[in-house]
Amino acid sequence: EAGVTQSPTHLIKTRGQQATLRCSPISGHTSVYWYQQALGLGLQFLLWYDEGEERNRGNFPPRFSGRQFPNYSSELNVNALELEDSALYLCASGWGETQYFGPGTRLLVL
Amino acid sequence: KQEVTQIPAALSVPEGENLVLNCSFTDSAIYNLQWFRQDPGKGLTSLLLIQSSQREQTSGRLNASLDKSSGRSTLYIAASQPGDSATYLCAVKDSGYALNFGKGTSLLVTP
Repeated sequence: EAGVTQSPTHLIKTRGQQATLRCSPISGHTSVYWYQQALGLGLQFLLWYDEGEERNRGNFPPRFSGRQFPNYSSELNVNALELEDSALYLCASGWGETQYFGPGTRLLVL
Repeated sequence: KQEVTQIPAALSVPEGENLVLNCSFTDSAIYNLQWFRQDPGKGLTSLLLIQSSQREQTSGRLNASLDKSSGRSTLYIAASQPGDSATYLCAVKDSGYALNFGKGTSLLVTP
């Protein structure tokens, strides 16, 4: 069974640009969670999608947004990039109370 | 708001030692607690999941215990090996929708 996949593995952008990160959940999982892991900080919850709808978001500004497609894959969009957005972005898919994590996308903002 | 704390932040031990990593959480109304391993720059690997009704879980050289009433969990690693070097994260699932993570314990096992 394939695990959670994320693309790209690395992304380099400059301040003010937009970044798009992608996630494919485990087959059969309808929930996708996005987390940010910035240097020196713990994993912070960003967004939760389920059945195509945004169910909840963490304490992040509106320039962090996303969507979930009919096949349950998901995109995370970060607009107007700032230096402090540099981080590892992890996607997880869920079934019941368990979440399974992908390998992450490393975003570097210059 | 659930707060998860892990102690120590970093640990260096010689190969072969048994060691204990600690995790504490502020709200005891949890569904489960999970221990993850993270290698540098990589995603998370789930090690052990303890449901709120359980006291401990074991997998190979790893044993995790849960004391929900006191808001504590420990991860015990027996006979440590250099390959165990990684960051270990504790995460709590409560009535919210996401996992609440501690900042992790960075473990270095030296040959």
